[in-house]
Amino acid sequence: EVQLVESGGGLVKPGGSLRLSCAASGFTFSSYSMNWVRQAPGKGLEWVSSISSSSSYIYYADSVKGRFTISRDNAKNSLYLQMNSLRAEDTAVYYCARGPARPDYFDYWGQGTLVTVSS
Amino acid sequence: QSALTQPASVSGSPGQSITISCTGTSSDVGSYNLVSWYQQHPGKAPKLMIYEGSKRPSGVSNRFSGSKSGNTASLTISGLQAEDEADYYCCSYAGRNVVFGGGTKLTVL
Repeated sequence: EVQLVESGGGLVKPGGSLRLSCAASGFTFSSYSMNWVRQAPGKGLEWVSSISSSSSYIYYADSVKGRFTISRDNAKNSLYLQMNSLRAEDTAVYYCARGPARPDYFDYWGQGTLVTVSS
Repeated sequence: QSALTQPASVSGSPGQSITISCTGTSSDVGSYNLVSWYQQHPGKAPKLMIYEGSKRPSGVSNRFSGSKSGNTASLTISGLQAEDEADYYCCSYAGRNVVFGGGTKLTVL
């Protein structure tokens, strides 16, 4: 059974940093692209970032480019999102999602971890 | 990276069919047949319902179907059931990024 479990969310002050993790199991992690998608409270889904299976391509949404860094450790079946210079508008539930070689769809999602940016 | 345009809400009675539209541009929906659709119930993670325009993942009811014409993709749900009441999001690959629609709330009357 495919499982994706996010962790690392919490309350952080504006300008602060946070590192999210996503532990994957039930599939060959190194064969899939991995992605972060977020959802602000009461709002819609917003794609954040994608990383290919071998980390050869990495994409970011304009809203996070230069502040967030996606990475993965295939030996540990883990995906990460380093978030720096956090802003109030980054407050959201962050989902980890699996994708095919090209990030055109997301077939399995974690339950999400809440990040709150507030003073 | 502008969001795809979806109607805010649609509704239908049990047994009826509804269609949700998703309008993008020639840079996303119009350039790639790579639109996906997600169902999200309150407090739950999204669930993939349609991918690559019209393909259904294993386990998704054949009451759900997808199509595309030009810059607009559509999700049709036939034989509406109470459990179909949820938020629906379209999503398109757009080269070096991905763009979602704003979401449509489906109410089953």
